[in-house]
Amino acid sequence: SYELTQPLSVSVALGQTAEVTCGGDNIGSKNVHWYQQKPGQAPVVVIYRDSNRPSGIPERFSGSNSGNTATLTISRVQVGDEADYYCQVWDTTTGVFGTGTKVTVL
Amino acid sequence: QITLKESGPTLVKPTQTLTLTCTFSGFSVSASGEGVGWIRQAPGKALEWLALIYWNGDDYYSPSLESRLTVTKDTSKNLVVLTMTNMDPVDTATYYCAHRFTGSAFDVWGQGTMVTVSS
Repeated sequence: SYELTQPLSVSVALGQTAEVTCGGDNIGSKNVHWYQQKPGQAPVVVIYRDSNRPSGIPERFSGSNSGNTATLTISRVQVGDEADYYCQVWDTTTGVFGTGTKVTVL
Repeated sequence: QITLKESGPTLVKPTQTLTLTCTFSGFSVSASGEGVGWIRQAPGKALEWLALIYWNGDDYYSPSLESRLTVTKDTSKNLVVLTMTNMDPVDTATYYCAHRFTGSAFDVWGQGTMVTVSS
C-alpha cells in the first residue's frame, strides 16, 4: 500500500519560514493536497493539487511537488499557523493521508 | 455555500454495527463530479481515509477496512450513510464526512462526530 511520510514536528521562529515535507514513492506524479488542523477542529485545506490556494488562504502558504517529496511552505509564520498539517494523495482510487506534522511557533 | 454535518451514536458496543449519517447542503450528490468521503481520526492520531462515494454511485474503500464498510447515498434527502460492521475499541475515533469534487481535495468538512466503542 502507498505510504506518505512526514516529520513528526517542525519548529519555527515567529516571522520565519516553515517547510513541511511529505515523502512518497514518485509522489511527484500525483496531486498532493495539504490540510491544516487546529486542536478540536476539523481539517481545512490550505493547498490543493500541489500548489493551489483556496480562496481565503493567505499567500504565505505555498506548495511544491517533485520526485519523491512534496513540500508545504509557510512564509512569515504567525502564531495562528501553529497546527497539525497533513498531506494527502489518491493512489488510484484509494485515499492516503500522511502521518502528520505538528508545526510549533517559537 | 457547502455545509456537511455528521450524526449517529456516540457509543457503540464491540461487535455492533455503526451507522453514521452525513447530511449536507449546497451541492447535489447527483451532479456530475460530486462526491462525499469519510475520514476518521483516533484520539491523538493521524487522519485515516475510509470511503468515498461519487455522483454516479461509484464507491471506494480503504483496503484495510473494505470488508467492514459500506457507503450509500440518498440523493433526494441530501445525505450519505456510512456503515461499519463488527466495531472494536480500536475504532474509537472522530468520524468526519467531507465534500470532494473529482480531482480535487476534500474542500469542505463536517464538524466531526466522536464515536466510542466500549462495552
